[in-house]
Amino acid sequence: KAGVTQTPRYLIKTRGQQVTLSCSPISGHRSVSWYQQTPGQGLQFLFEYFSETQRNKGNFPGRFSGRQFSNSRSEMNVSTLELGDSALYLCASSSGTEVPNEQFFGPGTRLTVL
Amino acid sequence: QQPVQSPQAVILREGEDAVINCSSSKALYSVHWYRQKHGEAPVFLMILLKGGEQKGHEKISASFNEKKQQSSLYLTASQLSYSGTYFCGTTGGSYIPTFGRGTSLIVHP
Repeated sequence: KAGVTQTPRYLIKTRGQQVTLSCSPISGHRSVSWYQQTPGQGLQFLFEYFSETQRNKGNFPGRFSGRQFSNSRSEMNVSTLELGDSALYLCASSSGTEVPNEQFFGPGTRLTVL
Repeated sequence: QQPVQSPQAVILREGEDAVINCSSSKALYSVHWYRQKHGEAPVFLMILLKGGEQKGHEKISASFNEKKQQSSLYLTASQLSYSGTYFCGTTGGSYIPTFGRGTSLIVHP
């Protein structure tokens, strides 16, 4: 099976811009979770989508949003970028039929905000 | 609230054993363990559920003390490939995971 893929792998933006990140889960997986990883805060949960519905949400401002499509692919959007949004954004997929369950992480998107 | 991992770092020689601990101040439903190598994504190792169910890989073992809200990951006969940062993630009833700051494990030949 192909693993979780994320695009793009690297991104440089300036403050105030917005960005959209994409995640394609493992075939057959219906759950996609998004995480932010920074040296200062570590790994933090953003949100989880299951069958096109947001099932869980972490403690991030409304500038962070996401969606999931009928083919389980997911996108994450960050509007009005701030310097502190620079991070590695990881998505992880799981079968989603049991919560919680084994998660398979993608390689991540490295976002740099200048 | 973020779980607390200990120790922060471990240095071993091949063949030695290590234990990494994860403690939470809240009631836990599950504990997850991941290993992340530098520049790579985290890799799932083990999930332990309240009630005793475990799912994971053969060469990794872990325990989950529900009363103490603690979990320990046991790495036996360590190999060079075990090097990396180990994270625990915990969930309560809301299933929203929170992660520890990680334990850096270095295995020397």
